[in-house]
Amino acid sequence: TQLLEQSPQFLSIQEGENLTVYCNSSSVFSSLQWYRQEPGEGPVLLVTVVTGGEVKKLKRLTFQFGDARKDSSLHITAAQPGDTGLYLCAGDNAGNMLTFGGGTRLMVKP
Amino acid sequence: NAGVTQTPKFQVLKTGQSMTLQCAQDMNHEYMSWYRQDPGMGLRLIHYSVGAGITDQGEVPNGYNVSRSTTEDFPLRLLSAAPSQTSVYFCASSYSIGGELFFGEGSRLTVL
Repeated sequence: TQLLEQSPQFLSIQEGENLTVYCNSSSVFSSLQWYRQEPGEGPVLLVTVVTGGEVKKLKRLTFQFGDARKDSSLHITAAQPGDTGLYLCAGDNAGNMLTFGGGTRLMVKP
Repeated sequence: NAGVTQTPKFQVLKTGQSMTLQCAQDMNHEYMSWYRQDPGMGLRLIHYSVGAGITDQGEVPNGYNVSRSTTEDFPLRLLSAAPSQTSVYFCASSYSIGGELFFGEGSRLTVL
């Protein structure tokens, strides 16, 4: 049973469109991390959110941590083909190893 | 700076065979872990280590063994491979137990 549910599982959009990916849980996390994984490689950290309600921006990517620290979202503005990949959220239950969501596979078509 | 290095990148086994996936990191991280990645399942923790000589089980430990004799190395052993162990395996290291994970490039294992 996964503690973190990601939606949607798959997303195929045209270049220039906006999208939002969700990461939801019934558990409270100390922090939440977002990773991006490209084919044939390991995941790479994009951002860590720590405080409830926190918003972080990374160029065209906006990450938000829910007020209750149970959920998070990733919004991409004007998606580009280079954004294609698998997006994973991972929660930190203080003192334990990270728990990963199932991932959202994004394809951005030119 | 190599980071986390995994070998081999690809391996095909027959049911019942054993093998070891190697993992080495050069960042002097205390925490190391092994995950398996299956479609739609994200990353599931197999085993992890909080330092040399200390290991613990994760979410899906059955059929796998680990040891941590040095800070740098954390091999994963498949004792008797089964088709259900067909997967992509990732080794990762981190400075702290819930901190940023640094992953290797993965090892794709197929068990026939």
